[in-house]
Amino acid sequence: GESVGLHLPTLSVQEGDNSIINCAYSNSASDYFIWYKQESGKGPQFIIDIRSNMDKRQGQRVTVLLNKTVKHLSLQIAATQPGDSAVYFCAERYSSASKIIFGSGTRLSIRP
Amino acid sequence: DADVTQTPRNRITKTGKRIMLECSQTKGHDRMYWYRQDPGLGLRLIYYSFDVKDINKGEISDGYSVSRQAQAKFSLSLESAIPNQTALYFCATSDSKGGAYEQYFGPGTRLTVT
Repeated sequence: GESVGLHLPTLSVQEGDNSIINCAYSNSASDYFIWYKQESGKGPQFIIDIRSNMDKRQGQRVTVLLNKTVKHLSLQIAATQPGDSAVYFCAERYSSASKIIFGSGTRLSIRP
Repeated sequence: DADVTQTPRNRITKTGKRIMLECSQTKGHDRMYWYRQDPGLGLRLIYYSFDVKDINKGEISDGYSVSRQAQAKFSLSLESAIPNQTALYFCATSDSKGGAYEQYFGPGTRLTVT
């Protein structure tokens, strides 16, 4: 989930299990949401996005769920692999501001 | 992502020095961004540019300036570096056409101010 302060929340998952990473967003007027993956030493990389008029979107091994009632976003990764180890950020677009605001991230670690 | 390049990749500088970080892209995107990332924190927007003649302040623009020299180039300057500007800096691009807002990030510049 979202973190406040200096410590990233960490999710530890057994290899092969499903991972669920949560994010609470702040602006009820946000119209577009994105998940990014950041591997060590690299820039963030786009994973999947969803518009506010949808509640679910699926990609390859990933699913994003959006609950606008409680302003909650989740990323589900199926059959987690070692290569999924990274920090995952959710981001929201404030429709009035035309820019993206990033959350503070969740570190996903994979147990062999 | 080789489509967005940043130079230098690492830089150590002293307090009070002026430093410029450069970003180039070959994606043909019109929008470019500079972000700062501190340990344990997400990305914070410093400046963004929606085209060559459009420059906007982000959340944390104090102490920074930018120049959009061409559609493909967007540089970030620290006029007088201070230690709390030690961070990882990312450039990103996006395409305003098509209705998507996906941003493509460069590999980052690690800046240390001593």
